[in-house]
Amino acid sequence: SYELTQPLSVSVALGQTATISCGGNNIQSYNVHWYQQKPGQAPVVVIYSDNKRPSGIPERFSGSNSGNTATLTISGAQAGDEADYYCQVSDLRTVFGGGTKLTVL
Amino acid sequence: EVRLVESGGGLIRPGGSLRLSCAASGFNVSTRHMSWVRQAPGKGLEWVSFIYKGGTSYYADSVKGRFTISRDIPKNTLYLQMDILRVEDTAMYYCAIYVYAEPSGYYHDYWGQGTLVTVSS
Repeated sequence: SYELTQPLSVSVALGQTATISCGGNNIQSYNVHWYQQKPGQAPVVVIYSDNKRPSGIPERFSGSNSGNTATLTISGAQAGDEADYYCQVSDLRTVFGGGTKLTVL
Repeated sequence: EVRLVESGGGLIRPGGSLRLSCAASGFNVSTRHMSWVRQAPGKGLEWVSFIYKGGTSYYADSVKGRFTISRDIPKNTLYLQMDILRVEDTAMYYCAIYVYAEPSGYYHDYWGQGTLVTVSS
């Protein structure tokens, strides 16, 4: 079965740029979607189809997908961005990455 | 306004059964693909099942043969029938609208707040 690999944790200084990777075999052949989950809350999609932002998601969230790695980039990270982030792909099944805890210092 | 409200969770012994409900409002479940996703305590997200608006359903290998996804269109409600429950099925269960993303694949758009299932003796 297809697997997605994310770093367990990423730290970023307030106002700096955070990058969270999502690795998978030839992941570029999939649409990759990203979710943000804060403690006690349901996940929220922040990027879909590699690089599209749903309405209401700040422009500082962006995504890319190439080769074997998809990347979520948060430019000018804010304290409110501290959360767990998950990548996801689908074909006949849906697969989530293991999640990355983002800490804003 | 789109809203999803899960219910039916609780404490159940291993081997038991439970039916989760997801009451939808603001849209018709018959017109959207729908999905169940779970999250064990302190763990990541795990896809469980989805049902296309046409009725075809798919399951994760971990629940195939034990769980059944269905809809009641007049009640505008999505269900997850869970049988032969195991300790490892303990999790928060979320329902979500499953949206097709061009040019291929699906993502989870609106999510409910979840219902907690605890399987323990």
